[in-house]
Order: sequence, then structure tokens, then C-alpha cells
Amino acid sequence: EVQLLDSGGSLVQPGGSLRLSCEASGFTFSSYAMNWVRQAPGKGLEWVSGISGSGVNTYYADSVKGRFTISRDNSRNTLYLQMNSLRVEDTAVYYCAKSRGLIKGGLDYWGQGSLVTVSS
Amino acid sequence: DIQMTQSPSSLSASVGDRVTITCRASQGISNFLAWYQQTPGKVPKLLIYAASTLQSGVPSRFSGSGSGTDFTLTISSLQPEDVATYYCQEYNSPPWTFGQGTKVEIK
Repeated sequence: EVQLLDSGGSLVQPGGSLRLSCEASGFTFSSYAMNWVRQAPGKGLEWVSGISGSGVNTYYADSVKGRFTISRDNSRNTLYLQMNSLRVEDTAVYYCAKSRGLIKGGLDYWGQGSLVTVSS
Repeated sequence: DIQMTQSPSSLSASVGDRVTITCRASQGISNFLAWYQQTPGKVPKLLIYAASTLQSGVPSRFSGSGSGTDFTLTISSLQPEDVATYYCQEYNSPPWTFGQGTKVEIK
């Protein structure tokens, strides 16, 4: 059974940093691209970042480019999102999500979400 | 970046009605399009990928069509459990943009 366990969300001040983690199980982690998708309170889905199965290729939304870094440790079956220079508008539930393919594809499994609140 | 525009933003229909949601890409994306369902308080669920391929376990009343810039999601006979917000997402080229969502309610 595929499982994605998000963790790391918390309250942080504007300008602060936070690292989210997503521990995967039930599939060959290195064979699939992974993503972070966020949802601000009462709003729609926003794709944030993606990484290929090998970790070589990374992609970012313009809204987070230069502030967020996606990475993965295939030996630990874990996906990360390092978030720096956080802004109030980064407040959202952050989901990790598995792609159907090595590079891209529909997102077929999602974590339960991790709440990040950026506020003073 | 590719922009994805869904319409309508919300709709109300009766149980058993045929419901159609459209998604338009600002440039051609071949068939690199997925549809998701998010019921209130739940995690999004993949319904369709590659524009028209039904994800395993999804009821056959859901179908997708289209290629290039224009796509549709159809629910052939609306059921009470289909109350949700539906999103399209392109994955032709990063960033993999979502549409703004379509909220479906029962009349």
C-alpha cells in the first residue's frame, strides 16, 4: 500500500525558515517524480515544486523560486522542501504528492498535508 | 508559463444530471492533462490522467476528453458523493499549473 507521511509544518515568523519532510512507502521511491502542492485556506490548489526520480531535475513555481529548495534522499525514501524567507502568503497546507512517471505525470498519491502558518 | 482556465467556477445540478466542466490551456499541451476531485476536508484524488485515461478505482461515470488546448471532464450521472471541487492540471512543461477549480453542488 502506498503511503506518504508529511511532517514538519508549524507556526513561523515572516522571514523565517522551515523544512518539510515526506516519508514514502509501498513503492519504488526512486522510480517516480515527487511534488509539493499547497492550498491556502479556502483557496485552490497551487503546484509548488517537483523533482525527478533521480533528483537531478528540479522545478519550481515562480512564486517560490529562489526561496524554496526541493530535494530527496532515495536511500531514506524521503522527500524534502526547504523553505526560506517565508512570507505571510506562504501560509497553506502543503501536500507531498507522487507523480505517475519518472519525470512527470498525474499525481496519483497524496500525503495528508502539513500546515504551515507564517505569522508574527 | 501555461495558464489553465476552468469553467464554470461553480455549478448546481440535480442527481442523475450530466455535468460537464471545461479546462482551457493558454497553449497546446498535447494530452498532458489530469483531473482531480477534492471533497470537503479531504485530500485531492486523481480521477483522470493523459486527458482521458481513468485512474484505477474511479467510477466509470467520470470521463475525460480533449487534446491540445481544450479539455472536458464529464460526469454522466451526478451522484450525491460527487459534491466536490474539481481541478484540472497540466503537466506538459513546468510549472505544472492547476486550474482555479470548479465547485459542484447538488440542486
